[in-house]
Amino acid sequence: AQTVTQSQPEMSVQEAETVTLSCTYDTSESDYYLFWYKQPPSRQMILVIRQEAYKQQNATENRFSVNFQKAAKSFSLKISDSQLGDAAMYFCAYRGYYGGSQGNLIFGKGTKLSVKP
Amino acid sequence: GAVVSQHPSWVICKSGTSVKIECRSLDFQATTMFWYRQFPKQSLMLMATSNEGSKATYEQGVEKDKFLINHASLTLSTLTVTSAHPEDSSFYICSSIRGAADTQYFGPGTRLTVL
Repeated sequence: AQTVTQSQPEMSVQEAETVTLSCTYDTSESDYYLFWYKQPPSRQMILVIRQEAYKQQNATENRFSVNFQKAAKSFSLKISDSQLGDAAMYFCAYRGYYGGSQGNLIFGKGTKLSVKP
Repeated sequence: GAVVSQHPSWVICKSGTSVKIECRSLDFQATTMFWYRQFPKQSLMLMATSNEGSKATYEQGVEKDKFLINHASLTLSTLTVTSAHPEDSSFYICSSIRGAADTQYFGPGTRLTVL
């Protein structure tokens, strides 16, 4: 079974600085998707970034980028120029490419990010 | 991104009553919808996968007779918590996808409190 591990329960960053959130996963599949979701205090889950495992290039979305290391099964999220609005719970998630689950996500336990002004 | 709505956003009910939560995909037809449960300061736990026109697939440990899921159309799935008890109090979140390769888009969640 696939698992997702986020080893940092809490992180803190100064406004305008850069922070990296860690995520590792375990799978025997060769094709899959990886995601970072953000959950602010409103509890609305918001997609931050998505990575297809077959793509070697790391995904980027404005201030958010990932470091995808397929061999090491690592998928970290880097937030540059941190803003107060980035404060939230961040969840790393895995999804298989095929199978009867049809898109089922497996979540890590989350990392709570605080941004200091 | 796609828009998914949930209704109600917050509900309080008495123990023993049933509560229905609606999940709608507003701008696309969702072949599959998912129902999650989230306890405070914890991650999302998948309860069941709902496919339009067929029976839902429940995760191990989730009572299908207690958490009734109906996916009657491509834009609506409902979760009914039957004979609710205080331990059912939680935050319930739905999500939907357009196809197997699509990203999951989440509803805003429903906070259920059972007295």
